[in-house]
Amino acid sequence: DAKTTQPPSMDCAEGRAANLPCNHSTISGNEYVYWYRQIHSQGPQYIIHGLKNNETNEMASLIITEDRKSSTLILPHATLRDTAVYYCIVRVKGTGTASKLTFGTGTRLQVTL
Amino acid sequence: SAVISQKPSRDICQRGTSLTIQCQVDSQVTMMFWYRQQPGQSLTLIATANQGSEATYESGFVIDKFPISRPNLTFSTLTVSNLSPEDSSIYLCSARGAGGTTDTQYFGPGTRLTVL
Repeated sequence: DAKTTQPPSMDCAEGRAANLPCNHSTISGNEYVYWYRQIHSQGPQYIIHGLKNNETNEMASLIITEDRKSSTLILPHATLRDTAVYYCIVRVKGTGTASKLTFGTGTRLQVTL
Repeated sequence: SAVISQKPSRDICQRGTSLTIQCQVDSQVTMMFWYRQQPGQSLTLIATANQGSEATYESGFVIDKFPISRPNLTFSTLTVSNLSPEDSSIYLCSARGAGGTTDTQYFGPGTRLTVL
């Protein structure tokens, strides 16, 4: 069951901010929003996660709307090395069935010169 | 964080044989998982590897085809049995709960399997 919706692809110029949207209109109150990325031929890399507050780390910022039905991952200064498939995933924390990390089709971000 | 290594990184196997993939985590983790990524596709969860008990398989995956072991809190193996060309995929090990506190899930680099 698809719990998130993402655009299949996006382009971004190097040095500019990349804003990747994700729709999760059926998110439950105890579900977190996680973002991963997969650079070609590598395993997925954890980027960031949040519940309802905006979050920032050394890689990116996560903006979650007040109703939590959508979010945006922001890469403030995209570089060619940020070219990857970005996955937005919602899950609960813990060890139960609902805590499984289920991947959708993601957004293929192409950073260009 | 947890650093995950997999062996082999890639292999080419003949139809009807089996391949065992090893996954080693650099710290004790609560949960370990195995995923499959078919060419051009997203990741699909095969099973959760349970320490000291049988793995929990997702719909469409069975123990006879994908036997899994997890003898301790840092190591797991996935065997892909009776190989056919349709098994050609990348197989990824994943782990969560490093240090007993974090819920973040990490992934290994994957094992690229080609079946001839």
